Amino acid sequence: QITLKESGPTLVKPTQTLTLTCTFSGFSLSTSGVGVGWIRQPPGKALEWLALIYWNDDKRYSPSLKSRLTITKDTSKNQVVLTMTNMDPVDTATYYCAHRRLAAGARFDYWGQGTLVTVSS
Amino acid sequence: DIQMTQSPSSVSASVGDRVTITCRASQGISSWLAWYQQKPGKAPKLLIYAASSLQSGVPSRFSGSGSGTDFTLTISSLQPEDFATYYCQQANSFLPLTFGGGTKVEIK
Repeated sequence: QITLKESGPTLVKPTQTLTLTCTFSGFSLSTSGVGVGWIRQPPGKALEWLALIYWNDDKRYSPSLKSRLTITKDTSKNQVVLTMTNMDPVDTATYYCAHRRLAAGARFDYWGQGTLVTVSS
Repeated sequence: DIQMTQSPSSVSASVGDRVTITCRASQGISSWLAWYQQKPGKAPKLLIYAASSLQSGVPSRFSGSGSGTDFTLTISSLQPEDFATYYCQQANSFLPLTFGGGTKVEIK
């Protein structure tokens, strides 16, 4: 059974750096064809893909946010960490992590429950 | 950057209706497309991947089609639990994994 859970601060101040952790179980991020991604959703708005890391440490970022994002993995702890620098109120959103499977058609097939991050002074 | 455009942005329908949602990619993505359903306050749920493959456990009234730039999600007979927002996403890892703007399916 695959599960993922996001954790991190619920409130950050403008200009601060956000660090979110995705802790997962039921799979290994050392298995070929597996990845973990981050997606966010501002209140009342659409989903936005942020970043993705694969079993082989290949990393992909949203072009519009690439300069602010860093994604890393700790395979031994079953965790993926996303950092986003220079936070702004427009970054207020629910942040999700999700399991990505490449075999026979890539998709995010398991999602965490999400964590709401508010950016405010 | 690749853009994913969904239409309509919202649709009002009744239980039993056939509902079709379209998604257009700004460049060809072959069959690298997924569809998700999201209910208020919940995480998205995968419905369709590889444009037309039904995710395990998803009812067969959901179907997907298309390739290249034009895709559709069809709900053959709308059920009460299907009222939700639906998103397409381009799934080719060599391109940004862009989501569409969403289509809200509302009760008529």
